[in-house]
Amino acid sequence: DIQMTQSPSTLSASVGDRVTITCRASQSISDWLAWFQQKPGKAPKLLISRASRLESGVPSRFSGSGSGTEFTLTISNLQPDDFATYYCQQYNVYLYTFGQGTKLEV
Amino acid sequence: QVQLQQWGAGLLRPSETLSLTCAVHGGSLDIYYWSWIRQSPRKGLEWIGDINHSGKTNYNPSLQSRVTILVDSSKNQFSLRLNSVTVADTAVYYCARGSGGQDYWGQGTVVTVSS
Repeated sequence: DIQMTQSPSTLSASVGDRVTITCRASQSISDWLAWFQQKPGKAPKLLISRASRLESGVPSRFSGSGSGTEFTLTISNLQPDDFATYYCQQYNVYLYTFGQGTKLEV
Repeated sequence: QVQLQQWGAGLLRPSETLSLTCAVHGGSLDIYYWSWIRQSPRKGLEWIGDINHSGKTNYNPSLQSRVTILVDSSKNQFSLRLNSVTVADTAVYYCARGSGGQDYWGQGTVVTVSS
């Protein structure tokens, strides 16, 4: 199985900040990486696919980069609605796997 | 607008069978793969498996001996069965569109396994 490791596990920030979350894969996954946002009691929401493709309707302050084994999700100009938990997911090789999550808190 | 609506029993005894169904509204089962994913505090988000419109499936090896995913194209639905559940199967179960990078999700079903 490909292991996905996110850092940090928790991130404290303020409105207006720029933050970066890192996701590392235990082997190369090319750019088959997705980022999700999840709020309590809700299903995950897809933000970015193929490492850097912003989903329709997702604000442009979200961006993704990386390939191979190291990836980043950057959120610029944090808004109150952005405080949530973020997950990466590799879908290069079955069994598809998720990171353990990064909780973005005030 | 695609919407996924899921339903099924939320409280099970150990050794019983988990059964969930997901109806796809506003879109066809064609073209895409359709997934089941679960989430628990112990294991986080865990991909269970997926299926396409013709019934081709892929399963998580750790669950493969107990899981069956089926598709019913006439009803635009797909379903999950997990046999011989234990307390370790307690989780929120989601259906979703796509194998990876799932773009539409069901509302989630809380499944509790308890004696």
